[in-house]
Amino acid sequence: DGGITQSPKYLFRKEGQNVTLSCEQNLNHDAMYWYRQDPGQGLRLIYYSQIVNDFQKGDIAEGYSVSREKKESFPLTVTSAQKNPTAFYLCASSSRTGHNQPQHFGDGTRLSIL
Amino acid sequence: GNSVTQMEGPVTLSEEAFLTINCTYTATGYPSLFWYVQYPGEGLQLLLKATKADDKGSNKGFEATYRKETTSFHLEKGSVQVSDSAVYFCALMDSNYQLIWGAGTKLIIKP
Repeated sequence: DGGITQSPKYLFRKEGQNVTLSCEQNLNHDAMYWYRQDPGQGLRLIYYSQIVNDFQKGDIAEGYSVSREKKESFPLTVTSAQKNPTAFYLCASSSRTGHNQPQHFGDGTRLSIL
Repeated sequence: GNSVTQMEGPVTLSEEAFLTINCTYTATGYPSLFWYVQYPGEGLQLLLKATKADDKGSNKGFEATYRKETTSFHLEKGSVQVSDSAVYFCALMDSNYQLIWGAGTKLIIKP
């Protein structure tokens, strides 16, 4: 089945530690996105990538980093500079940018502080 | 700037009741509009979409009509089920092809 796989489902971070969230898609989509969701709130865009080896900051990129070395993979690193990382992180992809192209989502990674 | 406003939740209904979740937007031009649903502990799933004025999106008994004159995209369902309990998000796609999200509306259906 085609889809987006996020791992791990749950992740715990210690103080001063960087952690990396995995996102893999086999939909052959060009564009990929990372969102943060806090309880009772909507989604906020962290980073997005429209093509391999290129990515742009979203609304809340500080304390996060990404890479896009392969079309199917878009890992997100939550660095120690992100002081409030506890949230639900969602990865999404779409076939190309365009007004009719919906985004498809993974099942999310829940990050907590130890 | 672009924005999406949804009615605050939670919305609590009995099974088989009629559902309306209001969504209004502010945008330049004519953005595409989307409804997504999020079940507990899961990611978001596209529920329906509309790409131009007067379009009606529909799926799984849910409908929403793109109303340019009222800048609205209200979600409706004639008879809800317990399995419809979830959080519903309205979103628009801006001119940079980014999704602008509403805050979400939690729906609780009681048997």
